[in-house]
Order: sequence, then C-alpha cells, then structure tokens
Amino acid sequence: IAGITQAPTSQILAAGRRMTLRCTQDMRHNAMYWYRQDLGLGLRLIHYSNTAGTTGKGEVPDGYSVSRANTDDFPLTLASAVPSQTSVYFCASSDSTGGGANVLTFGAGSRLTVL
Amino acid sequence: GQNIDQPTEMTATEGAIVQINCTYQTSGFNGLFWYQQHAGEAPTFLSYNVLDGLEEKGRFSSFLSRSKGYSYLLLKELQMKDSASYLCAVRDRNYQLIWGAGTKLIIKP
Repeated sequence: IAGITQAPTSQILAAGRRMTLRCTQDMRHNAMYWYRQDLGLGLRLIHYSNTAGTTGKGEVPDGYSVSRANTDDFPLTLASAVPSQTSVYFCASSDSTGGGANVLTFGAGSRLTVL
Repeated sequence: GQNIDQPTEMTATEGAIVQINCTYQTSGFNGLFWYQQHAGEAPTFLSYNVLDGLEEKGRFSSFLSRSKGYSYLLLKELQMKDSASYLCAVRDRNYQLIWGAGTKLIIKP
C-alpha cells in the first residue's frame, strides 16, 4: 500500500441497501476526509476526522456515517442508499488540520451507482 | 454564501500558454490551492498561495490577489498530458476547504 487505498473501485447498488466504502492510508496522517464529486459541482465534504477517535460533519453529511477507530482506517457507510447518492466518492488525508500548505492526498475514488 | 468561480472549459494549443482564472467569495481566507485532476483519477496537488503574488514551480505558476479575491494558474509550454481538470480551492476562516467545480482544459495538437 502506498498512500490511500479505497474499495470498492466501483459498485452498483439497489436503493435501500446498506453500503460501506473502505479507506485505508499508510502515511500516518492525522486527518482524513470523505468527499463526493458530482458533475458540475465542486468537491463536497461529507465527513471528516481530525484525529483517531473523533469525527465531524461536513457540508453534506445526511445519509452517511463514518467511524475512525484507528489512524489508518476511515470507512464511510450509507445506511440506506438512495439514487441521489450516486456519485464518485474520494477519501483523502492530510498531515495536519491547521494552516500552512496542508496538502490533501486523495485515494483513487469509488464510483457508486444507486438504482 | 461561499462561492468559487472558474470557467467550465478552456481549449489551448500544445506548446502555448494558458491562464485559468479563479475568483472567490469566502468567509475568511487561509490559503488558496490548485489541484490537477485527470479524467477518472484522483486530484493531485499543484500549488498553494497564502500571500499576494506569484508562486512559480516549473511550467506552472499560481498568482493570488487577496484584495480582489482572485487567483490564476498559468501553464506554460503546454503538453498533451496537461489535458485535465484544474480545481481551485480556498480554505476559509474555519480551515475548511471550499472547492470550485473545476476547469476542464483541452489541449489540441
């Protein structure tokens, strides 16, 4: 593993089903993030975690939950998927949460289609 | 509300220079970022500006004017591999990133 690994790469899901997108990083970054990317819109933050054991809500948290049991893993769960959650999901991490060039490293993305 | 504006799409010729503009209105300012995203791939970091002026990094330069809420990314000696989307993002007073929708750059031979 080098950087951030996301799984699955893509998934087609029936509405109402539960789905967990996995994210693992090996850089020992403190902060992790989940974004969704939709055509014509900027990346939108779903949830974030500044450090293991803590999580926070982003801009579009409804219908999603996260956990951060350790530094490396940050899974995103859709409890009951709806078609509006069809999107490309990116997990990202950064070394810190403050100022400076706090660069985000992104995973390759998970393309989710909810029918 | 907070807003980042970028052109949706631009076309340029291989070997030429292109300037991609970004204007922003945010609650506070703690830095501006440019990321590159090839189709179907993850965004990757290009540049960071927090003070006014020009930051140069090889063929890419980024400019910031905080008083005007304006930045641009300048790409010189364009190569076909520069065909990608370029994302502008501003970190607001709460250190949250606000992202523009991205500018799709098409390079023609």
